Amino acid sequence: SQTIHQWPATLVQPVGSPLSLECTVEGTSNPNLYWYRQAAGRGLQLLFYSVGIGQISSEVPQNLSASRPQDRQFILSSKKLLLSDSGFYLCAWNRREIGTGELFFGEGSRLTVL
Amino acid sequence: QKEVEQDPGPLSVPEGAIVSLNCTYSNSAFQYFMWYRQYSRKGPELLMYTYSSGNKEDGRFTAQVDKSSKYISLFIRDSQPSDSATYLCAMSSGNTPLVFGKGTRLSVIA
Repeated sequence: SQTIHQWPATLVQPVGSPLSLECTVEGTSNPNLYWYRQAAGRGLQLLFYSVGIGQISSEVPQNLSASRPQDRQFILSSKKLLLSDSGFYLCAWNRREIGTGELFFGEGSRLTVL
Repeated sequence: QKEVEQDPGPLSVPEGAIVSLNCTYSNSAFQYFMWYRQYSRKGPELLMYTYSSGNKEDGRFTAQVDKSSKYISLFIRDSQPSDSATYLCAMSSGNTPLVFGKGTRLSVIA
């Protein structure tokens, strides 16, 4: 069976500090990978998605970047955090062969920027 | 007009009630429709999945899609306190990223 791991689960960071959130998927190959952010009252906002190693699509211009160094690893980064980066970050995957858009989510990382 | 509109609630109902959750959308290319359930501080989990128009039933849950009206619904029968969560509608035209509604927060009171 497939599993998705996301860490850290919770973090509190000062403004201007760097960020690295990691996500790995097990039990499947060639997944599409996604980073979403969920802020209060704003729903799920797609930040980045990737259909393969080194292939990143950005949906929203912002203070964040994403990388996919391995087939089943997706990393969300920032060099300098802003207060507005606070939120609940969710990694997700789906199968490239299935064009249904169905997503499987990780447990999320809650970021508070102070 | 936003691509997907969903009333954020909150919605509070007594145990045993029938719950109706709805979304409207503007993109006529959407043909895959889903409902996700999200418990507090957890990631969303897929609850119902429907392709194109029609109904789909799974236990106490029924999903309806009306493409002519660009309107989808989720019905929960005999609602339970364990159904208390945020429900997100989501849709896609195919192998493209899902577009989500803002979610409706539901509380079922025992």
